[in-house]
Amino acid sequence: DTEVTQTPKHLVMGMTNKKSLKCEQHMGHRAMYWYKQKAKKPPELMFVYSYEKLSINESVPSRFSPECPNSSLLNLHLHALQPEDSALYLCASSQPPGPPYFGAGTRLSVL
Amino acid sequence: GIQVEQSPPDLILQEGANSTLRCNFSDSVNNLQWFHQNPWGQLINLFYIPSGTKQNGRLSATTVATERYSLLYISSSQTTDSGVYFCAVPYQTGANNLFFGTGTRLTVIP
Repeated sequence: DTEVTQTPKHLVMGMTNKKSLKCEQHMGHRAMYWYKQKAKKPPELMFVYSYEKLSINESVPSRFSPECPNSSLLNLHLHALQPEDSALYLCASSQPPGPPYFGAGTRLSVL
Repeated sequence: GIQVEQSPPDLILQEGANSTLRCNFSDSVNNLQWFHQNPWGQLINLFYIPSGTKQNGRLSATTVATERYSLLYISSSQTTDSGVYFCAVPYQTGANNLFFGTGTRLTVIP
């Protein structure tokens, strides 16, 4: 199984809502990542978890809160988002020296 | 910080044509990867190629690390090759914390 599963595929939320994005992998990878991709732009790294510990936070606003409950799951909790946060959110996992595997993403629209 | 520029930004090909995509990077890297993002957003790793040449079917890639560029060759293009091609380099040595290039959007028409 070389799949990274992200749910939901699409999400529409208001600026006062709280929602969560979920990511799951069963490849035994110990590194997991969140990337944000705006339309017609490359993906940008947000967070990295290594062995279930947050190792990198690329200066992401606190309205995005990551969580790694176990080695297979990665969540991204969203609260008080702004319309400019609308984007494709991509999850990935890897086990060095192998390449990263990406999920299909969650398309988020903030109204 | 590192700069990763790709060219051309857009490319339209007739099915069956060949193409070369280029990735220039500003600093020395020990890891360069090529990805294909399909029209639905799925990113697939094509090559991990810090140096030298690799081939996988109709695709091949060459990285000349000393001159800070990499090339992706697509031969006999098919409509399923359409999408955006990204090269990416790591923020840190030995890591998969990737900084993506500007991308090349490829459209293959039948």
